[in-house]
Amino acid sequence: GAVVSQHPSWVICKSGTSVKIECRSLDFQATTMFWYRQFPKQSLMLMATSNEGSKATYEQGVEKDKFLINHASLTLSTLTVTSAHPEDSSFYICSAILSGWTQLAGGPEETQYFGPGTRLLVL
Amino acid sequence: GQNIDQPTEMTATEGAIVQINCTYQTSGFNGLFWYQQHAGEAPTFLSYNVLDGLEEKGRFSSFLSRSKGYSYLLLKELQMKDSASYLCAAMDSNYQLIWGAGTKLIIKP
Repeated sequence: GAVVSQHPSWVICKSGTSVKIECRSLDFQATTMFWYRQFPKQSLMLMATSNEGSKATYEQGVEKDKFLINHASLTLSTLTVTSAHPEDSSFYICSAILSGWTQLAGGPEETQYFGPGTRLLVL
Repeated sequence: GQNIDQPTEMTATEGAIVQINCTYQTSGFNGLFWYQQHAGEAPTFLSYNVLDGLEEKGRFSSFLSRSKGYSYLLLKELQMKDSASYLCAAMDSNYQLIWGAGTKLIIKP
């Protein structure tokens, strides 16, 4: 099946530094990717929708100047946490949308594939 | 390699019970998650199992057998709003999530 990877898996950084997280669709092209944040045993919180070739769409309450998203190609989206603070420590998960045409559905269908997540610890 | 398997689609009747199975193979194990995802929405956390056995939360229960690499999500008294995709995800020794492809549950009246 389709695979989505994230890099790095773990990152520990000092407060005030910036951290870049990559999300790649390994065997398909994704015009749309999502970035989520997850706190322990809680639902995934959608941060933003990353669209290839255009600006990301941020959810209410998410600072776009702090969480910079760049969808540079059809297989890569990056999330940069700028001037990281301890409260930014979290588990960040991306997902990519695979669009296709299925005979079963009789039309276009989208499937969302999730990455393994990146654990960020800001000291 | 690491792998998660769950059925692609299941159909059930309103008011009935349905069991969604998930088998996993991971490098190490730090628990198994179940999420519910409605179309166009973010996944909602349902359960987390790290010890063997059944955990019940209202109409939803989740079971884990670590020795068999197996889990199931049991939904009782099905309601139409339970129509959604159900995602199984296992956490490996590096605390990375290995995701299943999701089971699309269709509830019929």
